[in-house]
Amino acid sequence: DVKVTQSSRYLVKRTGEKVFLECVQDMDHENMFWYRQDPGLGLRLIYFSYDVKMKEKGDIPEGYSVSREKKERFSLILESASTNQTSMYLCASSTPDRHNSPLHFGNGTRLTVT
Amino acid sequence: QKEVEQNSGPLSVPEGAIASLNCTYSDRVSQSFFWYRQYSGKSPELIMSIYSNGDKEDGRFTAQLNKASQYVSLLIRDSQPSDSATYLCAVWGGSYIPTFGRGTSLIVHP
Repeated sequence: DVKVTQSSRYLVKRTGEKVFLECVQDMDHENMFWYRQDPGLGLRLIYFSYDVKMKEKGDIPEGYSVSREKKERFSLILESASTNQTSMYLCASSTPDRHNSPLHFGNGTRLTVT
Repeated sequence: QKEVEQNSGPLSVPEGAIASLNCTYSDRVSQSFFWYRQYSGKSPELIMSIYSNGDKEDGRFTAQLNKASQYVSLLIRDSQPSDSATYLCAVWGGSYIPTFGRGTSLIVHP
């Protein structure tokens, strides 16, 4: 089974802090994704990466950056956390076989910025 | 703009009934279709995938695909209260990124 592990289940940070959300997958997947999910808004893509050191902006990249130094690890960085970044953050991975490979999600990180 | 539309619900069905969840998509070149189940406060869990027109059955779940009508559905037979969740439709076309619907909330009442 594919295992996608997010480092924290719950996180509380203060406004202005730099926040790191870590994600590790164990299936040698090339593609990795960061989404946020808010009530009524569905899943919104922040960034994705299709290879080591490669990254592409999603629909809502503002206020976020990412790092992918190793294939198995994809980090989401909030440079200066703000209250409107309070959300559920979901990491996912998949193979490049985009016609047959679904996304596999981690357990999510519930981030609260106060 | 690729779109995937789902009725937000909630869809309420009695225990033991068939729940029918629907999804329409705009991108005609879409080739892969997935259904996810998401319990409140949890992450999405893949429950079905379908790639060809017709029906695909897995236990109590049946996915139905009609590419001509750009329509995919999920049927849940003998619905149980434990099926109460939000169901997300995901459509994958020619890019690295699937498009997700916003989900349909299903409530199965005893």
